[in-house]
Amino acid sequence: DTEVTQTPKHLVMGMTNKKSLKCEQHMGHRAMYWYKQKAKKPPELMFVYSYEKLSINESVPSRFSPECPNSSLLNLHLHALQPEDSALYLCASSQGALGGARETQYFGPGTRLLVL
Amino acid sequence: KQEVTQIPAALSVPEGENLVLNCSFTDSAIYNLQWFRQDPGKGLTSLLLIQSSQREQTSGRLNASLDKSSGRSTLYIAASQPGDSATYLCAVRPSQTGANNLFFGTGTRLTVIP
Repeated sequence: DTEVTQTPKHLVMGMTNKKSLKCEQHMGHRAMYWYKQKAKKPPELMFVYSYEKLSINESVPSRFSPECPNSSLLNLHLHALQPEDSALYLCASSQGALGGARETQYFGPGTRLLVL
Repeated sequence: KQEVTQIPAALSVPEGENLVLNCSFTDSAIYNLQWFRQDPGKGLTSLLLIQSSQREQTSGRLNASLDKSSGRSTLYIAASQPGDSATYLCAVRPSQTGANNLFFGTGTRLTVIP
C-alpha cells in the first residue's frame, strides 16, 4: 500500500472558524510533510515531522498548527485564516526525513481549502 | 536559497510526438532530483528520481537526464499520448540540510492533442 490519504477533499471556512485537515499513511514511514500550493504555483514546504517530532517549520504563521499524534497520522489545525490562505494543502510521507538519495516522497491528493 | 525554473511553462503537442521538458536549478549541491506529474486539482505522482551521482533514469517512455554541474535536467517523453496531459514538476533535494525537503520548479503544463 503506497497510499497517502487526506480528508476532507474540499473545505470552505470563514475567517473565524476552526477546522482541521487530516493525513494518514500506513507505509511505516517516519517522516511526514505539509505543503501549500497556490493556483498555478509549485508546492511550498510548510512543516516536516520526523519520528513524530516537528523538525522543520518554514516560518509558517501561527494560525496554522500542525500535530502528529502518532507515526501514521498528521493533522493541520486551522484557526483565524485569511482569504489568501486559500490553496491546495498537500500531505506527503517518506521513509525517513534523513533518507537516502534514492528516497522519494509519496503525496496525498490534497485538500482544497477556500477561506471566505 | 535554491531556485528551480522550468521551461516552457506550457506546451501543446499532437499525439505521437516526442518532447523534452527542461528544468534548471541555481545551486548544484543537490542530493537528488525528481520529476513529478500532477493532474488538475490532484496530488503529485513521482515519475523518476535521479541521484546526484547518476546521469539518467528511464521508466517506460520516460527518460530523465541530470547534469548537476550545469544545474540542468531534462525529461524526455517518447511517443506522447493524450493521457500524458498533466503538469510536470521537477524538484531538487538540497544536500546541505539534513532533512528531505524538496524545492519545486514552476512546472510545465503539457497538453497532448489527439
